[in-house]
Amino acid sequence: DQQVKQNSPSLSVQEGRISILNCDYTNSMFDYFLWYKKYPAEGPTFLISISSIKDKNEDGRFTVFLNKSAKHLSLHIVPSQPGDSAVYFCAASEMEGSGNTGKLIFGQGTTLQVKP
Amino acid sequence: NAGVTQTPKFQVLKTGQSMTLQCAQDMNHEYMSWYRQDPGMGLRLIHYSVGAGITDQGEVPNGYNVSRSTTEDFPLRLLSAAPSQTSVYFCASSYRVTSGIKEQFFGPGTRLTVL
Repeated sequence: DQQVKQNSPSLSVQEGRISILNCDYTNSMFDYFLWYKKYPAEGPTFLISISSIKDKNEDGRFTVFLNKSAKHLSLHIVPSQPGDSAVYFCAASEMEGSGNTGKLIFGQGTTLQVKP
Repeated sequence: NAGVTQTPKFQVLKTGQSMTLQCAQDMNHEYMSWYRQDPGMGLRLIHYSVGAGITDQGEVPNGYNVSRSTTEDFPLRLLSAAPSQTSVYFCASSYRVTSGIKEQFFGPGTRLTVL
């Protein structure tokens, strides 16, 4: 039972254009959502996050949008750069407490290729 | 700070062998976890710990044991390796945040092959 799903295994965009990566979740108890970026032969690194009380969070070229009613979040990268080529994972967690430990559940990942 | 360190980087085992993947962090993080990454499956949580002496199972715990005797170390033990355990293993740590974003810091990974 995959609680966090990234249905697009790969995405290819031209340098300078917008990259949109999507993520869906099924657990309505998730309170926090994060995006991680992973280069080959390295561990994932934190990119950006959003709390369920917000619907948008922006950090430079990266913006995450959250639609709670649709249980959907997306990561926008504008403008895309060749160095953004990597695997992107979305992750979700419940608030710690009430029997929950706040563990992170990850999606399958989307491989982004930004062409020069 | 070294951050999260993992050893070894690569390992080849024969079916039935046992081994321990080491993980250490020097950030005084309470929360530590182990994930495995497989093609098309993303990162799946194996075991996690919210502090020394406390561990719990994640999504795919079978075939793995963990212990947390110190805040710094969180080893993952394979008792009897199977080919299905061929994967890349990542250890991660974070502060134990009871309310807020829990940003986890990941180690570089251990690539394990079981023949």
